[in-house]
Amino acid sequence: ETGVTQTPRHLVMGMTNKKSLKCEQHLGHNAMYWYKQSAKKPLELMFVYSLEERVENNSVPSRFSPECPNSSHLFLHLHTLQPEDSALYLCASSQDYTSGGNNEQFFGPGTRLTVL
Amino acid sequence: SQQGEEDPQALSIQEGENATMNCSYKTSINNLQWYRQNSGRGLVHLILIRSNEREKHSGRLRVTLDTSKKSSSLLITASRAADTASYFCPHRGGADGLTFGKGTHLIIQP
Repeated sequence: ETGVTQTPRHLVMGMTNKKSLKCEQHLGHNAMYWYKQSAKKPLELMFVYSLEERVENNSVPSRFSPECPNSSHLFLHLHTLQPEDSALYLCASSQDYTSGGNNEQFFGPGTRLTVL
Repeated sequence: SQQGEEDPQALSIQEGENATMNCSYKTSINNLQWYRQNSGRGLVHLILIRSNEREKHSGRLRVTLDTSKKSSSLLITASRAADTASYFCPHRGGADGLTFGKGTHLIIQP
């Protein structure tokens, strides 16, 4: 147990569906992250939130919409996805988001998403 | 890109042997971390080494860092079946988030 939970663990959705992924951290951290891990590709950083403010957006398509209502929760809203969006979506948190320092990230178990 | 490149891409050894994997990067760093990922699951942080450190130990893990060569190595001694996983070395130079490479896939044969 890393202190970061994700729900659901598995999700199958059609291209016209709208769904949301949820991440919760119980570590009192100030920064949270969404990553995408596709088959045979490196882990890709999607979004970063620090103190509930988005600080990084790595050219992610608008069909992915993040939300951070408080420092413990992070959502990823999905709509009109494509089959190539099928992947493992990982959430992580760290104490802070600043240069230098100990920025160890704690990962959740991931949501395995399949888009039909 | 600050992406870490792990080498080799795949490594298969017998249980009990030592496993060594390497990581290279291109820009200056504040620190370098090693993570492990078991098949299809979340990543687990193993160890962090700062740019002013040359070697660090944690249990059966030994990490070295050579900033002049922009490289790091991870040694796992007395390997076990549970060490079978993918290993990554993301790092962070400035205020950017971690960037990951493809990892080294380690298989421990019984």
